[in-house]
Amino acid sequence: GEDVEQSLFLSVREGDSSVINCTYTDSSSTYLYWYKQEPGAGLQLLTYIFSNMDMKQDQRLTVLLNKKDKHLSLRIADTQTGDSAIYFCAETAIYSGAGSYQLTFGKGTKLSVIP
Amino acid sequence: EPEVTQTPSHQVTQMGQEVILRCVPISNHLYFYWYRQILGQKVEFLVSFYNNEISEKSEIFDDQFSVERPDGSNFTLKIRSTKLEDSAMYFCASSEAVAGGGYTFGSGTRLTVV
Repeated sequence: GEDVEQSLFLSVREGDSSVINCTYTDSSSTYLYWYKQEPGAGLQLLTYIFSNMDMKQDQRLTVLLNKKDKHLSLRIADTQTGDSAIYFCAETAIYSGAGSYQLTFGKGTKLSVIP
Repeated sequence: EPEVTQTPSHQVTQMGQEVILRCVPISNHLYFYWYRQILGQKVEFLVSFYNNEISEKSEIFDDQFSVERPDGSNFTLKIRSTKLEDSAMYFCASSEAVAGGGYTFGSGTRLTVV
């Protein structure tokens, strides 16, 4: 079945860039997502990329997709202490059942920002 | 910004008891989901719901689980006879038809079975 893998921890200094990496196995993945989870909160959609793109930028966030290697990364520029959270990579294949679609998540990468 | 609301935020129940987890999806969304996250593990898909019926479910979603949309706003997950291994964070989500928009998740209900 599909699998999504991420490293579990990342520690960076405030002001540096963070790069969170993710690999996935499903070659039919059509959308790939990054979700953020702060302590005690739900999963907040940060950004997503369609599989025919290789890069997407949104303010401090840059998503890079290497479809050949099935590798996705999230770069956070000028990382702030408020960026400390768990970041989940997720993917979905083409629609399964009348418009609903199932996400497959990684275990999440805990980003710690050192002041 | 529209939100998905889940209640309660934390529920403790005895093994064998029935629990109902409640969710209010975003009002113009048509697709509803339940996911769960056992502590330290991945977020896992349980079930998707559309047009008043289940459209897809995972192997986890066995006969002990059921979902319902009892009125125009609520979406519930019932676990009939809870087991210790049902202890997890349960997330409700809703989406529009297009996968590119992603889901909107609720804050989750932490279920502890003792």
